[in-house]
Amino acid sequence: GQQVMQIPQYQHVQEGEDFTTYCNSSTTLSNIQWYKQRPGGHPVFLIQLVKSGEVKKQKRLTFQFGEAKKNSSLHITATQTTDVGTYFCAGRRHGQNFVFGPGTRLSVLP
Amino acid sequence: DGGITQSPKYLFRKEGQNVTLSCEQNLNHDAMYWYRQDPGQGLRLIYYSQIVNDFQKGDIAEGYSVSREKKESFPLTVTSAQKNPTAFYLCASSMSSGGAYNEQFFGPGTRLTVL
Repeated sequence: GQQVMQIPQYQHVQEGEDFTTYCNSSTTLSNIQWYKQRPGGHPVFLIQLVKSGEVKKQKRLTFQFGEAKKNSSLHITATQTTDVGTYFCAGRRHGQNFVFGPGTRLSVLP
Repeated sequence: DGGITQSPKYLFRKEGQNVTLSCEQNLNHDAMYWYRQDPGQGLRLIYYSQIVNDFQKGDIAEGYSVSREKKESFPLTVTSAQKNPTAFYLCASSMSSGGAYNEQFFGPGTRLTVL
């Protein structure tokens, strides 16, 4: 079946440093979503990418969908303590449900 | 105030007992989902429903059952057949299950502990 992997599993950064998490699928995806889950909270939708090579920005967050539509990345510039949480990607093949990756847990040291 | 609610937040049950987790949404969404979250494993799909009176098994449906008698409600029953039921259970809804309107809105979750 479809597998979605994420690296790294954990990332500790100093406040102000950049952070990147990578998402890789074993199959070609029709679209990919990113969610953020704060400690003790529930996942909150961040963005959806649909087109090959698509790049979207939300303030300090940059999302990219690979040319082959099998991988994606989330980059945070100049992290802040409010960025703490677990970032999940969720990939969907055409006609199927989304499959979530295991997440990358980000810690930001002040 | 629109949203998706789950109750209770924490639930304790004895081994061998069935337990039903509540999920209600007032977003007028057609699709609803149940996920299980274990540490380090992300979210795994238990059941989903694209429309009232219809639902399908997800990746880990064994030991669980659902119903979708109303658009707003999608309760999940964890049966005694579920081998390892202690987990964090998340309910979600989306406008549709496909196309452009499939952003999922999650409830606050229910943490189930089986003693």
